[in-house]
Amino acid sequence: DTGVSQNPRHKITKRGQNVTFRCDPISEHNRLYWYRQTLGQGPEFLTYFQNEAQLEKSRLLSDRFSAERPKGSFSTLEIQRTEQGDSAMYLCASSSGTYYEQYFGPGTRLTVT
Amino acid sequence: GDSVTQMEGPVTLSEEAFLTINCTYTATGYPSLFWYVQYPGEGLQLLLKATKADDKGSNKGFEATYRKETTSFHLEKGSVQVSDSAVYFCALSDGQGGSEKLVFGKGTKLTVNP
Repeated sequence: DTGVSQNPRHKITKRGQNVTFRCDPISEHNRLYWYRQTLGQGPEFLTYFQNEAQLEKSRLLSDRFSAERPKGSFSTLEIQRTEQGDSAMYLCASSSGTYYEQYFGPGTRLTVT
Repeated sequence: GDSVTQMEGPVTLSEEAFLTINCTYTATGYPSLFWYVQYPGEGLQLLLKATKADDKGSNKGFEATYRKETTSFHLEKGSVQVSDSAVYFCALSDGQGGSEKLVFGKGTKLTVNP
C-alpha cells in the first residue's frame, strides 16, 4: 500500500491554458474524491466517484472543470481556460466505502500566472 | 448548508501545555465528525472521528467528544509535544442524499515550542 499519489506535485501555467492532474488512489479503494484548498482555508469538495461513476459534483465545479475515472482506478481532473482564481492546492482522496476514512494524497499545487 | 466553524489560529503553546481547539458545526442531519491533521510538508491524515452523539474519538493522546446539544466537537490533549505542531481541521460528513463529501473548517495552526 503506497497511499494516494498525485501528479504533478506542482504546476505553473499561464492564464487561458488547459491543465490536467492525475490521481492514483489506494488500489482496493472504489471511492475517489477531489477537493480544492486555497491558502488559509480548509479543503472544499469538488466531486466524487464510486468506481467509474461520477455520483456528486459541487457547484464549485464550473463547466471549465471536468473529472473522469474511466476504468474505476486512476482519475484525472482537467481545468480548461485557467483563470488566476483557479490557483490552489488540488487534493485527491480515496476510501473503501461509505463513512470509511478518506485517505488524502499530497496534492497538486496549481499556480496560474 | 452544512458548515464547520473552528477557533481562529494560530495557537502557540509550550511543550506539556493543555490544548483545546474549539469546533462547532451546523448540519441538517446527524453527521459524522472528524479531526484531520496536516503536518508540515505532508498530506491530510485522519486523527480521530465520532459517528454519533456522545461518542468520544481518541488517538495519539488527542480526544474529542461529539456533543449534539451544543453541536460541538472540541479537540483536546492534556500535554502537547513539539511533534504535535501542525494544522488541525475539523470536518463533518452528514450523508444526506447519499453524499459522502467532507465539509471542513478553515483549520487551526498549532505551534508547540520546547
